[in-house]
Amino acid sequence: KAGVTQTPRYLIKTRGQQVTLSCSPISGHRSVSWYQQTPGQGLQFLFEYFSETQRNKGNFPGRFSGRQFSNSRSEMNVSTLELGDSALYLCASRPPGTAGNTIYFGEGSWLTVV
Amino acid sequence: GQQLNQSPQSMFIQEGEDVSMNCTSSSIFNTWLWYKQDPGEGPVLLIALYKAGELTSNGRLTAQFGITRKDSFLNISASIPSDVGIYFCAGPLFTGNQFYFGTGTSLTVIP
Repeated sequence: KAGVTQTPRYLIKTRGQQVTLSCSPISGHRSVSWYQQTPGQGLQFLFEYFSETQRNKGNFPGRFSGRQFSNSRSEMNVSTLELGDSALYLCASRPPGTAGNTIYFGEGSWLTVV
Repeated sequence: GQQLNQSPQSMFIQEGEDVSMNCTSSSIFNTWLWYKQDPGEGPVLLIALYKAGELTSNGRLTAQFGITRKDSFLNISASIPSDVGIYFCAGPLFTGNQFYFGTGTSLTVIP
Protein backbone atom coordinates (compact mmCIF):
# COMPACT_ATOMS: atom_id res chain seq x y z
CA LYS A 1 0.00 0.00 0.00
CA ALA A 2 1.52 3.32 -1.02
CA GLY A 3 2.11 5.80 1.75
CA VAL A 4 1.25 9.46 1.90
CA THR A 5 2.82 11.20 -1.09
CA GLN A 6 3.80 14.84 -1.07
CA THR A 7 5.04 16.96 -3.93
CA PRO A 8 7.26 18.77 -4.48
CA ARG A 9 9.87 17.60 -1.98
CA TYR A 10 11.97 20.73 -2.17
CA LEU A 11 11.30 24.19 -3.43
CA ILE A 12 12.72 27.67 -3.17
CA LYS A 13 10.50 30.73 -3.47
CA THR A 14 10.99 34.45 -3.20
CA ARG A 15 9.29 36.66 -0.65
CA GLY A 16 5.91 37.80 -1.90
CA GLN A 17 5.37 34.81 -4.14
CA GLN A 18 2.83 32.12 -3.52
CA VAL A 19 3.25 28.37 -3.34
CA THR A 20 1.01 25.34 -3.69
CA LEU A 21 1.88 22.00 -2.12
CA SER A 22 0.17 18.75 -2.95
CA CYS A 23 -0.65 15.66 -0.90
CA SER A 24 -2.07 12.29 -1.88
CA PRO A 25 -3.26 10.32 1.14
CA ILE A 26 -3.03 6.59 1.64
CA SER A 27 -5.68 4.84 -0.43
CA GLY A 28 -8.94 4.70 1.50
CA HIS A 29 -8.03 7.53 3.85
CA ARG A 30 -10.42 10.45 3.59
CA SER A 31 -8.97 12.72 6.24
CA VAL A 32 -5.94 14.83 5.40
CA SER A 33 -4.23 17.24 7.74
CA TRP A 34 -1.35 19.66 7.25
CA TYR A 35 1.39 20.66 9.65
CA GLN A 36 4.23 23.15 9.63
CA GLN A 37 7.46 22.06 11.27
CA THR A 38 10.25 24.43 12.20
CA PRO A 39 13.18 23.88 14.56
CA GLY A 40 11.97 26.46 17.02
CA GLN A 41 8.23 25.75 17.00
CA GLY A 42 8.03 22.03 16.43
CA LEU A 43 4.94 20.63 14.73
CA GLN A 44 2.18 23.19 14.32
CA PHE A 45 -1.26 22.16 13.09
CA LEU A 46 -2.50 24.06 10.04
CA PHE A 47 -5.80 22.46 9.10
CA GLU A 48 -7.62 19.20 8.52
CA TYR A 49 -9.93 18.24 5.69
CA PHE A 50 -12.44 15.45 5.54
CA SER A 51 -14.69 14.74 2.57
CA GLU A 52 -13.70 18.03 0.94
CA THR A 53 -14.65 20.06 4.03
CA GLN A 54 -12.31 21.79 6.43
CA ARG A 55 -12.93 20.15 9.79
CA ASN A 56 -10.35 21.87 11.99
CA LYS A 57 -8.11 24.87 11.63
CA GLY A 58 -5.02 25.88 13.49
CA ASN A 59 -3.87 29.32 14.46
CA PHE A 60 -2.30 30.51 11.21
CA PRO A 61 -2.99 33.67 9.20
CA GLY A 62 -5.35 33.66 6.26
CA ARG A 63 -2.39 33.49 3.87
CA PHE A 64 -2.44 29.77 4.57
CA SER A 65 -5.28 27.96 2.90
CA GLY A 66 -6.11 24.50 1.74
CA ARG A 67 -8.60 22.38 -0.07
CA GLN A 68 -9.47 18.77 -0.64
CA PHE A 69 -10.70 17.15 -3.79
CA SER A 70 -13.27 14.42 -4.26
CA ASN A 71 -10.50 11.82 -4.56
CA SER A 72 -9.23 12.92 -1.10
CA ARG A 73 -6.09 14.50 -2.53
CA SER A 74 -5.34 17.80 -0.87
CA GLU A 75 -3.46 20.97 -1.63
CA MET A 76 -2.31 23.76 0.59
CA ASN A 77 -1.47 27.23 -0.59
CA VAL A 78 0.56 29.96 1.01
CA SER A 79 0.24 33.41 -0.51
CA THR A 80 2.49 36.42 -0.10
CA LEU A 81 5.33 34.33 1.25
CA GLU A 82 7.42 35.62 4.13
CA LEU A 83 10.88 34.52 5.23
CA GLY A 84 9.34 32.97 8.33
CA ASP A 85 7.31 30.59 6.19
CA SER A 86 10.46 28.60 5.50
CA ALA A 87 9.72 25.21 7.00
CA LEU A 88 9.02 21.56 6.42
CA TYR A 89 5.35 21.17 5.53
CA LEU A 90 3.95 17.79 6.41
CA CYS A 91 0.77 16.16 5.25
CA ALA A 92 -0.83 13.32 7.18
CA SER A 93 -3.77 11.06 6.51
CA ARG A 94 -6.06 9.13 8.82
CA PRO A 95 -7.83 5.86 8.18
CA PRO A 96 -11.59 5.72 8.58
CA GLY A 97 -13.45 4.19 11.45
CA THR A 98 -12.00 3.08 14.75
CA ALA A 99 -8.45 3.16 13.39
CA GLY A 100 -8.86 6.87 12.78
CA ASN A 101 -6.92 7.76 15.91
CA THR A 102 -3.69 7.11 14.05
CA ILE A 103 -2.16 9.43 11.51
CA TYR A 104 0.46 8.65 8.89
CA PHE A 105 2.80 11.30 7.58
CA GLY A 106 4.29 11.93 4.19
CA GLU A 107 7.95 12.79 3.71
CA GLY A 108 7.17 16.48 3.63
CA SER A 109 7.80 19.42 1.37
CA TRP A 110 10.78 21.57 2.24
CA LEU A 111 10.01 25.21 1.50
CA THR A 112 12.73 27.81 1.57
CA VAL A 113 11.73 31.45 1.17
CA VAL A 114 14.51 33.82 0.16
CA GLY B 1 -3.43 24.95 23.36
CA GLN B 2 -2.86 21.50 24.76
CA GLN B 3 0.77 20.80 25.59
CA LEU B 4 2.47 17.46 25.65
CA ASN B 5 5.48 17.49 27.92
CA GLN B 6 8.13 15.19 26.60
CA SER B 7 11.34 14.31 28.38
CA PRO B 8 14.20 14.19 28.17
CA GLN B 9 14.78 16.79 25.49
CA SER B 10 17.95 15.07 24.33
CA MET B 11 19.94 11.95 25.12
CA PHE B 12 23.48 10.88 24.35
CA ILE B 13 24.03 7.18 24.94
CA GLN B 14 26.49 4.43 24.14
CA GLU B 15 25.55 1.79 21.61
CA GLY B 16 23.96 -1.15 23.38
CA GLU B 17 22.40 0.89 26.17
CA ASP B 18 18.68 1.02 26.84
CA VAL B 19 16.73 4.25 26.40
CA SER B 20 13.59 5.52 28.06
CA MET B 21 11.55 8.61 27.29
CA ASN B 22 8.10 9.73 28.31
CA CYS B 23 5.24 12.08 27.58
CA THR B 24 2.82 13.61 30.01
CA SER B 25 -0.26 15.71 29.61
CA SER B 26 -2.64 17.59 31.83
CA SER B 27 -5.55 16.21 29.80
CA ILE B 28 -6.79 12.75 28.99
CA PHE B 29 -5.80 11.20 25.70
CA ASN B 30 -7.61 8.30 24.07
CA THR B 31 -4.65 7.27 21.92
CA TRP B 32 -0.91 7.62 22.28
CA LEU B 33 1.32 7.46 19.23
CA TRP B 34 5.09 7.35 19.05
CA TYR B 35 6.99 8.53 15.97
CA LYS B 36 10.60 8.69 14.86
CA GLN B 37 11.81 11.39 12.53
CA ASP B 38 15.10 11.39 10.68
CA PRO B 39 16.57 14.71 9.52
CA GLY B 40 14.73 16.08 6.51
CA GLU B 41 12.19 13.28 6.48
CA GLY B 42 8.62 12.87 7.62
CA PRO B 43 7.79 11.20 10.94
CA VAL B 44 7.38 7.45 10.83
CA LEU B 45 4.89 5.77 13.13
CA LEU B 46 6.58 3.35 15.52
CA ILE B 47 3.88 2.28 17.94
CA ALA B 48 0.20 3.09 18.48
CA LEU B 49 -1.52 2.57 21.83
CA TYR B 50 -5.30 2.60 22.13
CA LYS B 51 -6.16 1.42 25.64
CA ALA B 52 -5.17 2.58 29.10
CA GLY B 53 -2.57 0.23 30.51
CA GLU B 54 -1.74 -1.22 27.10
CA LEU B 55 1.84 -2.37 26.64
CA THR B 56 2.96 -2.86 23.05
CA SER B 57 6.25 -3.90 21.51
CA ASN B 58 7.71 -3.42 18.07
CA GLY B 59 11.06 -5.18 17.90
CA ARG B 60 13.37 -3.49 20.36
CA LEU B 61 10.79 -0.82 21.09
CA THR B 62 8.23 -1.04 23.87
CA ALA B 63 5.62 1.56 24.71
CA GLN B 64 2.94 1.81 27.35
CA PHE B 65 -0.29 3.79 27.65
CA GLY B 66 -0.49 5.12 31.22
CA ILE B 67 -3.47 4.01 33.29
CA THR B 68 -4.41 7.62 34.01
CA ARG B 69 -4.56 8.23 30.22
CA LYS B 70 -2.34 11.25 30.77
CA ASP B 71 1.03 9.73 30.06
CA SER B 72 2.98 7.27 27.97
CA PHE B 73 6.54 6.02 27.78
CA LEU B 74 8.75 4.57 25.08
CA ASN B 75 11.68 2.27 25.76
CA ILE B 76 14.35 1.26 23.27
CA SER B 77 16.49 -1.69 24.25
CA ALA B 78 20.04 -2.38 23.11
CA SER B 79 20.34 0.82 21.07
CA ILE B 80 22.13 0.79 17.73
CA PRO B 81 23.45 3.66 15.59
CA SER B 82 20.41 3.70 13.31
CA ASP B 83 18.22 4.58 16.31
CA VAL B 84 19.56 8.12 16.01
CA GLY B 85 16.81 10.63 15.35
CA ILE B 86 14.05 12.59 17.00
CA TYR B 87 11.30 10.70 18.76
CA PHE B 88 8.03 12.32 19.62
CA CYS B 89 4.71 11.39 21.08
CA ALA B 90 1.34 12.43 19.76
CA GLY B 91 -2.32 11.78 20.15
CA PRO B 92 -5.85 13.15 20.08
CA LEU B 93 -7.57 14.32 23.23
CA PHE B 94 -10.23 12.03 24.66
CA THR B 95 -12.79 14.68 23.84
CA GLY B 96 -11.51 15.80 20.48
CA ASN B 97 -10.30 15.15 17.01
CA GLN B 98 -7.21 17.25 16.71
CA PHE B 99 -3.79 15.73 17.29
CA TYR B 100 -1.22 17.19 19.64
CA PHE B 101 2.50 16.56 19.61
CA GLY B 102 5.33 16.41 22.08
CA THR B 103 8.37 18.59 21.58
CA GLY B 104 10.54 15.60 20.79
CA THR B 105 13.50 13.74 22.24
CA SER B 106 16.69 13.91 20.23
CA LEU B 107 18.61 10.65 20.51
CA THR B 108 22.29 10.33 19.72
CA VAL B 109 23.90 6.89 19.84
CA ILE B 110 27.65 6.80 20.20
CA PRO B 111 29.21 3.72 18.57
